[in-house]
This record gives sequence, structure tokens and C-alpha cells, in this order.
Amino acid sequence: AQKVTQAQTEISVVEKEDVTLDCVYETRDTTYYLFWYKQPPSGELVFLIRRNSFDEQNEISGRYSWNFQKSTSSFNFTITASQVVDSAVYFCALSEGKTSYDKVIFGPGTSLSVIP
Amino acid sequence: SQTIHQWPATLVQPVGSPLSLECTVEGTSNPNLYWYRQAAGRGLQLLFYSVGIGQISSEVPQNLSASRPQDRQFILSSKKLLLSDSGFYLCAWTPGQGNSPLHFGNGTRLTVT
Repeated sequence: AQKVTQAQTEISVVEKEDVTLDCVYETRDTTYYLFWYKQPPSGELVFLIRRNSFDEQNEISGRYSWNFQKSTSSFNFTITASQVVDSAVYFCALSEGKTSYDKVIFGPGTSLSVIP
Repeated sequence: SQTIHQWPATLVQPVGSPLSLECTVEGTSNPNLYWYRQAAGRGLQLLFYSVGIGQISSEVPQNLSASRPQDRQFILSSKKLLLSDSGFYLCAWTPGQGNSPLHFGNGTRLTVT
């Protein structure tokens, strides 16, 4: 069965610190996709990144970077030089490659507070 | 470009009253449509999804129902609300090509009193 674990319920950091949000997933499929979403206080979920199971290259986008390691079933998200605007709940998610619709399993989320 | 509209933004309803939340998508055809609920504690639960007009699948048995009367319209309903129906309801769409990112609406915060 699919499962996404985000062990960190809440994290607080001081502005400009780096922070890593952990995500561990479980799936029996060889083809799957991983996602990160951000939910600011306004409530709307914003898509950040998608990664397929065949692409283990790390990715960097500005202050954001993602580390995908199939050997440990992890897809961790690092924010460098955090800012107050990064305060939000972050969700890691997983979907299988076989369904006709996008069945996405979300982790429980990590609430990040960046303190000025 | 594609946009998704969801309304109302907030709603306070008494127990036993009916519910209708509406979601529409613009700028795309034949999208997959989804209703999620986010209860206190942040977890996102898939309630319904639809791959076409009139095609509704339910992930969790409950007091709610969904309908898709038009290609880009998705409605969440209830005949009689329960206190446990309170939560944050999010509509989302994908292009239907498989494994695409979900694009969410702004959500409806429902409080059942």
C-alpha cells in the first residue's frame, strides 16, 4: 500500500537559517511520482515540484532544493536562507503510474514557521 | 491559461441543512476533477474524483455526494449536514494525462453548527 510519512509535525527556524523538510514514502510500484505542495495561511495549495521514479537527479530552484533518494525512499526538501514568506504547511505526496486518474496520497504535512 | 474557481470561500450552516459547493475550471477540456477535504490536523483526504461528465467515483463512504453536470463543473452536495462535515474543502483538477500535478482552488471553509 502507498504511504507518505512526514515525521516533522512542526518546525520553527529563525529567518536566514536553512531548513530541511523530510519525506519518506512507501510504494510497491516501480513507476511513481513524487510531489511537494505548499499551503500558506491563505489556504490554497500550491504545486512546487514533481519528480518521477526514474529521475534521481537533485533539483535546485532558487532557494529551494530537493534530494530524491530511491535507496532510502526519501524525497527531502531544503529551503536555503529561509524567509518569513516561507512560513506555511508543506505537503509531500505520491501517485502511482498506472491509474487513469491522478490518485495522489498526501503526507500529513509539516508546518514551518520562519521567525523574523 | 487555466484557472479554477471555487465558491463560496466560507460557509456556516446548521446541522441538518443542505450543502452545495461549486467548482469550475476554465481554459482546458475534459479535465479530471477532484474534491478533497482537509479536517483539523491538516491531512488531505480525497473524497471524489471524476474523469468525465456524469462519471463520479467515491473514495470514502460518507454523507456527501458529487456531481459533474458539465465538462468543467464539479459540485459537492449534501442533503443533511453533520457536525463532522466541518472542514476545509478543496477542489482540484488535472489534465487527465496521468501523474500531473493537482491544481487547487482557493478552498471553502465550512463550519457546521
